[in-house]
Amino acid sequence: NAGVTQTPKFQVLKTGQSMTLQCAQDMNHEYMSWYRQDPGMGLRLIHYSVGAGITDQGEVPNGYNVSRSTTEDFPLRLLSAAPSQTSVYFCASSYSSGTSGRTGELFFGEGSRLTVL
Amino acid sequence: GNSVTQMEGPVTLSEEAFLTINCTYTATGYPSLFWYVQYPGEGLQLLLKATKADDKGSNKGFEATYRKETTSFHLEKGSVQVSDSAVYFCASRGTSGTYKYIFGTGTRLKVLA
Repeated sequence: NAGVTQTPKFQVLKTGQSMTLQCAQDMNHEYMSWYRQDPGMGLRLIHYSVGAGITDQGEVPNGYNVSRSTTEDFPLRLLSAAPSQTSVYFCASSYSSGTSGRTGELFFGEGSRLTVL
Repeated sequence: GNSVTQMEGPVTLSEEAFLTINCTYTATGYPSLFWYVQYPGEGLQLLLKATKADDKGSNKGFEATYRKETTSFHLEKGSVQVSDSAVYFCASRGTSGTYKYIFGTGTRLKVLA
């Protein structure tokens, strides 16, 4: 019972490098999302998707790119890493809140700690 | 717009003390409300939820009641344990046409033996 799987768990980048954080879920959830967690800031939504081929911006989308080619996968791309992107990143998924009988509980991955030097 | 406000931490309690973490929300309509818990080094996990007014969510000795009149969802536990030390997040989610969660900033709880 894998749930939400994120890789890598830790990554160190130099300013200007690009990378992709991977996220996969095996629960057939329509909704997937990426958050970043910074001290004193709680969780901030970066991007989200309500189904394959559909993505939208959250509150802090700049510097990040996403795609949703399958229901299972929702990778997050850092185009040109900056020190301000040093953070812990969480992927989360759920059924859509409109799905009959679903309460829309979010299931989280274990997080990816990214440091940009 | 929609928002969730929860009390700032950290909250430090002795074992067996009573816990209250306040949470209030603003929303259009009647959102579902959640408390999530994050233990050190882990992702968030659902602690309890309530989907309509006057519902009481409960789990592991924690309780929260959906109060429409005060737009609140305060988390309570009668007797905390050291193992309850974690960060607690209040969250809301709309039920008609919107998928996004709104999270509070989190409240760190430390329980001393």
